[in-house]
Amino acid sequence: DAKTTQPPSMDCAEGRAANLPCNHSTISGNEYVYWYRQIHSQGPQYIIHGLKNNETNEMASLIITEDRKSSTLILPHATLRDTAVYYCIVRAAQGGSEKLVFGKGTKLTVNP
Amino acid sequence: GAGVSQSPSNKVTEKGKDVELRCDPISGHTALYWYRQSLGQGLEFLIYFQGNSAPDKSGLPSDRFSAERTGGSVSTLTIQRTQQEDSAVYLCASSLRMGDAYGYTFGSGTRLTVV
Repeated sequence: DAKTTQPPSMDCAEGRAANLPCNHSTISGNEYVYWYRQIHSQGPQYIIHGLKNNETNEMASLIITEDRKSSTLILPHATLRDTAVYYCIVRAAQGGSEKLVFGKGTKLTVNP
Repeated sequence: GAGVSQSPSNKVTEKGKDVELRCDPISGHTALYWYRQSLGQGLEFLIYFQGNSAPDKSGLPSDRFSAERTGGSVSTLTIQRTQQEDSAVYLCASSLRMGDAYGYTFGSGTRLTVV
């Protein structure tokens, strides 16, 4: 069973920030939050992951609440090419199930 | 190679026929995963390999599905006596080592259509 809850869809204007929420209220202390995205007709692509501190890379920022029960993926300046399904996944870094379990994700549409 | 390669990219088969789907992982990646994605659905885990062994086959939908990996590299997913509900995109991923959740690299998939 998926351990995360995401809105099924979101819209964002091109050039604006896209903020994608994820609830993971049952997250364990040793579980990380991972984000992947899947652009139409392609395989999923890793974006970012974090444990409790906020993280930033060239693709996005990840904000995790202090209680770790929710997080937000931020695309600071969304482009049309960011239109995709975004998956939030929680999983232990080691010792847990070795497979990534994908839920239904959020379909983000970036509009011109 | 530079990425995960899957073949064929598209396969149309008649109901009842057997099909083989191939995955070439990134060179040196020890872990390999198979998923499938039906139209409009999320990804469904099928099986993963660490080297040539498959510790977790729990996702295989029925005994018509089998997979093998040889030489710690190429993997083949075989579906026997295909049914229409097998129609989906079959995705393969590899990672440098087992449990490397941020390091999954996916192929572009094989689109299987059973008519």
